[in-house]
Amino acid sequence: DGGITQSPKYLFRKEGQNVTLSCEQNLNHDAMYWYRQDPGQGLRLIYYSQIVNDFQKGDIAEGYSVSREKKESFPLTVTSAQKNPTAFYLCASSSDRGPGNTIYFGEGSWLTVV
Amino acid sequence: AQSVAQPEDQVNVAEGNPLTVKCTYSVSGNPYLFWYVQYPNRGLQFLLKYITGDNLVKGSYGFEAEFNKSQTSFHLKKPSALVSDSALYFCAGGGTTSGTYKYIFGTGTRLKVLA
Repeated sequence: DGGITQSPKYLFRKEGQNVTLSCEQNLNHDAMYWYRQDPGQGLRLIYYSQIVNDFQKGDIAEGYSVSREKKESFPLTVTSAQKNPTAFYLCASSSDRGPGNTIYFGEGSWLTVV
Repeated sequence: AQSVAQPEDQVNVAEGNPLTVKCTYSVSGNPYLFWYVQYPNRGLQFLLKYITGDNLVKGSYGFEAEFNKSQTSFHLKKPSALVSDSALYFCAGGGTTSGTYKYIFGTGTRLKVLA
């Protein structure tokens, strides 16, 4: 089945620790995204990538980093510089980033600071 | 600045009754508008989108949405609600002058269908 796979579903981070969320898609989509979802707020864009080895900051990139070494993969690292990382993280993709394209989402990953 | 607003945090409707979830928008150029549904601890599922053409857009699970340019609205509707429709619904939008990375998501409306 085609889709977007995120792992792990639940992750706990200790203070001062970096953690990485995995995102893999087999839809052959060029564009990939990471969003953060907090209760009562809309989705906020962290990073996006249009092609391999290229990515751009979104609205809330501080404290996060990404890589795009393969078309299928777009991992997100939450660094210790992110002061409030507890949230639901959504990976997404679209065929490209042109206007009108539909964005499709993975199942999400919960990150909690302990 | 572009914006998408969902004025209701929660909508309650009895099973079998019609439902409406409201969305208004302000975007640059002509709008591209989307509806998504989210079940607890899950990702967003695409329901339908408006690009151009017919103002009534039909989507998955019997949902439809009506685009109204004069009122800058894109309300989600279903003629007969099911208990299983209970979920969080997001409206999203962008304009012809911007790409997908500029899509704005509303804050979500929780739909509760009562048996």
